[in-house]
Amino acid sequence: DAGVIQSPRHEVTEMGQEVTLRCKPISGHDYLFWYRQTMMRGLELLIYFNNNVPIDDSGMPEDRFSAKMPNASFSTLKIQPSEPRDSAVYFCASTLNPVGPDEQYFGPGTRLTVT
Amino acid sequence: AQKVTQAQTEISVVEKEDVTLDCVYETRDTTYYLFWYKQPPSGELVFLIRRNSFDEQNEISGRYSWNFQKSTSSFNFTITASQVVDSAVYFCALSEPTTDSWGKLQFGAGTQVVVTP
Repeated sequence: DAGVIQSPRHEVTEMGQEVTLRCKPISGHDYLFWYRQTMMRGLELLIYFNNNVPIDDSGMPEDRFSAKMPNASFSTLKIQPSEPRDSAVYFCASTLNPVGPDEQYFGPGTRLTVT
Repeated sequence: AQKVTQAQTEISVVEKEDVTLDCVYETRDTTYYLFWYKQPPSGELVFLIRRNSFDEQNEISGRYSWNFQKSTSSFNFTITASQVVDSAVYFCALSEPTTDSWGKLQFGAGTQVVVTP
């Protein structure tokens, strides 16, 4: 299995531009998570999906952030417009989680720099 | 409020020394899960262990061992005979049940372990 795939691995953009991060979860996993990691705030959950439906988006910082999961094998996290404070590493993770919480498999992350 | 506290920001040891990472959690649920993840310099997060609240047995996996004590709400992690490859940031995490699922992992701030030859 290829594991969780994220693209791009690195993104540098200017303030005000739209940024789209992509994630392909492990096949068969019902849950998909988006995390953000910064030095100041550590690892924080932004949103997660179950069977393509958003379950908890309370971690999404503001309306500039949106996430979609149009099908079981693809999700996007979009920031529009981007700001320098959005600079972080964004991780996508997936899990099977049939009963209790299973381990989450993390992707390699996308390092976003907004100048 | 912080649910998972990793008070040690950084620990530096010389190779072959043992190192113990502290994790204290806070929850009102009787059923919950605890996790440890490793983040090496390459950046990916690697799962190490999952423990449910009903299983207080200590666990050993090679040079890694975990001490779960509900009485003190702690889930400490020990690396025995550390090696340079153990240098990484280690995260403790808590999962509590919600009305929808178990999905949310709440991470501690992490402990940076530096192992020098």
